[in-house]
Amino acid sequence: GAVVSQHPSRVICKSGTSVKIECRSLDFQATTMFWYRQFPKQSLMLMATSNEGSKATYEQGVEKDKFLINHASLTLSTLTVTSAHPEDSSFYICSARKAGEDTQYFGPGTRLTVL
Amino acid sequence: AQSVTQLGSHVSVSEGALVLLRCNYSSSVPPYLFWYVQYPNQGLQLLLKYTSAATLVKGINGFEAEFKKSETSFHLTKPSAHMSDAAEYFCAVSDPHYGQNFVFGPGTRLSVLP
Repeated sequence: GAVVSQHPSRVICKSGTSVKIECRSLDFQATTMFWYRQFPKQSLMLMATSNEGSKATYEQGVEKDKFLINHASLTLSTLTVTSAHPEDSSFYICSARKAGEDTQYFGPGTRLTVL
Repeated sequence: AQSVTQLGSHVSVSEGALVLLRCNYSSSVPPYLFWYVQYPNQGLQLLLKYTSAATLVKGINGFEAEFKKSETSFHLTKPSAHMSDAAEYFCAVSDPHYGQNFVFGPGTRLSVLP
């Protein structure tokens, strides 16, 4: 158990458009979900933490108006990159955590390319 | 504040040789520690974790790690490397008393030579 999916796996969009990425916990309820960004050959950088039914907590330097996070249910969180620009091109990875547990279960990631 | 260092951004071993990937942490409280593996263009898969129980932790795919408080280390080992072990490995630390958010190390890329 503890499978996390992301959709889409790859997306290419034009500069100025918005892109929505979905993160789902398939076989468990995730009270907390995390969104990370990973640049090539680098580690994961936490962007924000979201708890179901409440506003996301953003890390310092992450624009909350640009990276909109919604965690409307215990199995779904979405990240919307608004007015995307080429510098937003990256690998976005979500993870999910069950209530009372410490382990994060990661999705397969979404490769975003902004032209 | 917590931090994680991984000595060696790239480690190469021969197939069948011992794998040793280093992880050192700094934390003001006894932390939880994790090792994840990432294959190209994929998410992270949990290899093993330490959460204040046994200091020697066994994980999947023959990997194990030992928590050494005196050395603030959590090195990952495998007795005999397989070609399929070639991947990026990340060590992560979380503070069980403060939100349990992860801090990841910079990662170590493991290459396995035939």
